[in-house]
Amino acid sequence: QVQLQESGPGLVKPSETLSLTCSVSGYSISSGHYWGWIRQPPGKGLEWIGSMFHRGITYYNPSLRGRVTISIDTSKNRFSLKLTSVTAADTAVYYCARQRTQKISKVVFALEFDFWGQGALLAVSS
Amino acid sequence: ETVMTQSPVTLSVSPGERATLSCRASQSVTNNLAWYQQKLGQAPRLLIYGASTRATGVPPRFSGSGSGTEFTLTISSLQSEDFAVYYCQQYDDWPLTFGGGTKVEIK
Repeated sequence: QVQLQESGPGLVKPSETLSLTCSVSGYSISSGHYWGWIRQPPGKGLEWIGSMFHRGITYYNPSLRGRVTISIDTSKNRFSLKLTSVTAADTAVYYCARQRTQKISKVVFALEFDFWGQGALLAVSS
Repeated sequence: ETVMTQSPVTLSVSPGERATLSCRASQSVTNNLAWYQQKLGQAPRLLIYGASTRATGVPPRFSGSGSGTEFTLTISSLQSEDFAVYYCQQYDDWPLTFGGGTKVEIK
């Protein structure tokens, strides 16, 4: 069974960089699929942050204006999120998830999020 | 960016009744649409992908339909464990986008 687990500091100061890690078990990241981050501000809906293919292809939400970086460490079977210049608006539960893929004529298509971590609350406050 | 709009925002239903949730896309997403269920304090759970295919372990009372810009999630006979928030999400194009959610509450 695929399992994902987020880890992070819990509290970040305004203007600093938020860093989160998602550890994956039950599946090798290097075997394929996209790996993504989604967040949910308190009492609000879901917002996609970005996704990364195991071969390094990344897509980010343009609303985050270049503040986001996702990276993968295949040796430790985990992937990470960095969000710079955080403000109170970045306070949210951050989820990591596996995004299923389908290969058609040598093109890999990203599909739905089939496995999710339990979420990590990140608060931005001085 | 494809905007996903869900309606209604809140749906009050009695146990055993049928619930119909709607999701509309601002442009065609063909059938590249998923539905998720989220209970309070939990991560979202995949229910439906490809607009109409149930994910592993999802009871048959959940069904999805639609294509293009109009989609529906139907829960044929609501059980107590089905009261939750439901989100649709398109994966036809980047950026990926979610609907604002429909809360299904006990009437």
